[in-house]
Amino acid sequence: DIQMTQSPSTLSASVGDRVTITCRASQSISSWLAWYQQKPGKAPKLLIYKASSLQSGVPSRFSGSGSGTEFTLSIRSLQPDDFATYYCQHSWTFGQGTKVEIK
Amino acid sequence: EVQLLQSGGGLVQPGDSLRLSCAASGFTFRNYAMSWVRQAPGKGLEWVSGITGSGDTTPYADSVKGRFTISRDNSKNTLYLQLNSLRAEDTAVYYCAKQEGYCSGTGCYFDYWGQGALVTVSS
Repeated sequence: DIQMTQSPSTLSASVGDRVTITCRASQSISSWLAWYQQKPGKAPKLLIYKASSLQSGVPSRFSGSGSGTEFTLSIRSLQPDDFATYYCQHSWTFGQGTKVEIK
Repeated sequence: EVQLLQSGGGLVQPGDSLRLSCAASGFTFRNYAMSWVRQAPGKGLEWVSGITGSGDTTPYADSVKGRFTISRDNSKNTLYLQLNSLRAEDTAVYYCAKQEGYCSGTGCYFDYWGQGALVTVSS
């Protein structure tokens, strides 16, 4: 089975910062990677699919890149609404999550 | 507008059974694979099971294989998850999700999610 490893597990940042989260696959997955945002008590929300495609309605400050085994989610100019936990996903496997918290 | 409205869930004892439902609207239900994903308290997301649009293929996570059964009724636009022989470690919020792509093939992602249903297994 393909394993997905996210880093860091926790990230402290301030409003206006640019943040980057990394997801590594244990073998090549081409561009089949998705990113989700989850807030406490809420369902996950799809942000990025196929590594770099922005889901409809998601702000353009979110972007995804990468292919093969290494992928990144970037948030340009972090907003108060962006403090949440982020997960990467390939097929049936999710990364362990990255919590973005206020510094 | 795509909507996935979940029902079911609750407090049960170890060994009990429960059925979760997920009523879909806003898209042609029979054309899409669906999945169930769960999240134990304070933990990450775990895929549980999936089902193709026709219902002919139903993969399961090893942790639930032989105990849970996924099904769908395309005439009612509804997805189900039958949970049998429940254990304390099955305690989680269960989400249904609409799937794009083929998880058993090149890849997939989940573009719409239900609101979640809490299943608590405790004596």
